[in-house]
Amino acid sequence: AQTVTQSQPEMSVQEAETVTLSCTYDTSESNYYLFWYKQPPSRQMILVIRQEAYKQQNATENRFSVNFQKAAKSFSLKISDSQLGDTAMYFCAFMKDRNTPLVFGKGTRLSVIA
Amino acid sequence: KAGVTQTPRYLIKTRGQQVTLSCSPISGHRSVSWYQQTPGQGLQFLFEYFSETQRNKGNFPGRFSGRQFSNSRSEMNVSTLELGDSALYLCASSPDRTTNEKLFFGSGTQLSVL
Repeated sequence: AQTVTQSQPEMSVQEAETVTLSCTYDTSESNYYLFWYKQPPSRQMILVIRQEAYKQQNATENRFSVNFQKAAKSFSLKISDSQLGDTAMYFCAFMKDRNTPLVFGKGTRLSVIA
Repeated sequence: KAGVTQTPRYLIKTRGQQVTLSCSPISGHRSVSWYQQTPGQGLQFLFEYFSETQRNKGNFPGRFSGRQFSNSRSEMNVSTLELGDSALYLCASSPDRTTNEKLFFGSGTQLSVL
């Protein structure tokens, strides 16, 4: 079974600075999907960014980018120019294929400090 | 377009009771998934429905059940509630059965079992 590990339970960053959240996963699959979700106090899970394993290029979405290291099974999230609204729980998730459910890590609580 | 709507937002029950949670997906979405979120176990997949049929099921006891109606709305039921069932229950919808990488989540139902 696939597992997802987020080794940083809590992190903090100053506003406008850059922060990197770590995620590692374990799978024997060669093609799969990886995601970062954000869960603010409103509790709604919001998709931040996704990566398809067969794509070599790292995904980017505005201030959010990933460092996908397939061989190392690592999928870190970099948030640039951190904003107060980025304060939330961040979950890394794995999906074997489009027909299977998400497997989530335990999450990293990020606090952006003014 | 309205997002995924979950009702009620909060619920308090006592041990031994049963509970029904409701989820209305985004208009046009035919797949609905349910996840349980607890501080200890994190996010765990419960089940997924597509066109009124259960497509995937997580590793939960038979006390947890669900169904989907012809209008794609879904309900999940937990019978004989236990203290450990206290959790945030999240529902997510996607356009069809092969687009689980495009999940849209609701804000959840927070269930407290006393």
